[in-house]
Amino acid sequence: AQSVTQPDIHITVSEGASLELRCNYSYGATPYLFWYVQSPGQGLQLLLKYFSGDTLVQGIKGFEAEFKRSQSSFNLRKPSVHWSDAAEYFCAVGGNNNDMRFGAGTRLTVKP
Amino acid sequence: DTEVTQTPKHLVMGMTNKKSLKCEQHMGHRAMYWYKQKAKKPPELMFVYSYEKLSINESVPSRFSPECPNSSLLNLHLHALQPEDSALYLCASSRIQGAFGYTFGSGTRLTVV
Repeated sequence: AQSVTQPDIHITVSEGASLELRCNYSYGATPYLFWYVQSPGQGLQLLLKYFSGDTLVQGIKGFEAEFKRSQSSFNLRKPSVHWSDAAEYFCAVGGNNNDMRFGAGTRLTVKP
Repeated sequence: DTEVTQTPKHLVMGMTNKKSLKCEQHMGHRAMYWYKQKAKKPPELMFVYSYEKLSINESVPSRFSPECPNSSLLNLHLHALQPEDSALYLCASSRIQGAFGYTFGSGTRLTVV
């Protein structure tokens, strides 16, 4: 069965600093991988997704993620964090006819 | 139209009430989903509808009853809920079941008193 692990429950970074959020997955075949962001009391917004092809994926709001099959990882990165990036970030895995399963989430705090 | 619309945004109901949550999309998506999200937790899948037929029921208690009257609408009927059912209920849709990323609604914040 597919599963996702986000090792970091909470991360604090300073505004303008770089960010990397970790995600490890378990899946029997080539997975579909996603990163979502959720602001308090809101729904989830898709940041980016990986299905196949180029392992470096560009998303919205300046985010990118890199698929590394050898490490079963799909880490999310941003070169310079803005205060508005403070939110909960969820990594998710799915596949053809398999439904999306979410990691536990990483809460990002941005210091001024 | 690239949105999933959920109503109401907030709902407070007693344990003997019957209420319904509604979800609507006009993107031509043929899969729709209900998720339940407790505070500081990830969304948990409840139900999946694919081509208006119930595809997955994740062993959800019968006090939650889903309905998909057409390809654009998804309802969740609530009856005799418990306080522990208080949560954010999220609806999502996708072009087909499982793939391509889901579009989520903003959710209904449900409080059971």
